[in-house]
Amino acid sequence: GESVGLHLPTLSVQEGDNSIINCAYSNSASDYFIWYKQESGKGPQFIIDIRSNMDKRQGQRVTVLLNKTVKHLSLQIAATQPGDSAVYFCAERRGSNYKLTFGKGTLLTVNP
Amino acid sequence: GAGVSQSPSNKVTEKGKDVELRCDPISGHTALYWYRQSLGQGLEFLIYFQGNSAPDKSGLPSDRFSAERTGGSVSTLTIQRTQQEDSAVYLCASSLGGGLANEQFFGPGTRLTVL
Repeated sequence: GESVGLHLPTLSVQEGDNSIINCAYSNSASDYFIWYKQESGKGPQFIIDIRSNMDKRQGQRVTVLLNKTVKHLSLQIAATQPGDSAVYFCAERRGSNYKLTFGKGTLLTVNP
Repeated sequence: GAGVSQSPSNKVTEKGKDVELRCDPISGHTALYWYRQSLGQGLEFLIYFQGNSAPDKSGLPSDRFSAERTGGSVSTLTIQRTQQEDSAVYLCASSLGGGLANEQFFGPGTRLTVL
């Protein structure tokens, strides 16, 4: 079935390094993608989004890249900090459908 | 309040009992969503409200699950005759509308444990 999935369940990086979290999606009709950050005991928090008519979008210390050819999405975090430690989820929506389909998440651990 | 709130934060119940989970969305948000998050998993869509009506209940896993929303605000998710597999974190989100770019703001969730 259609799904949004992640390549790696865990990622450990040193403080100050750049982090890259990957996500694959299977439905070419998906046209809106979102990255969420979920800290322990909290609900997911919006980080950044991208529409399918874009390849790249930058925020503060974060960049999302979209490769529609291979249906791949990535989140890059620059100068990773201990406060970035969390589970990161990608999610996708299709057209006017409000329903978000989430991947399983990647646990990012930042070592001081 | 400033964000989406949910209560209780934790609920432990015995198998076979009914539970009610509450969600208070952000004021003015017309769209409300319920998701379920099992341990180590992503979020699973349950139901969507636009105003008081629920145009999409497709994610409810069984007829033991139901939800309502009154006054276009507070929503209650009810699970009847709970089973152990119902144990999960139940997350509520709200957005200004149901359109494509309407960001969903999530509450902290209710952790349900069915013994």
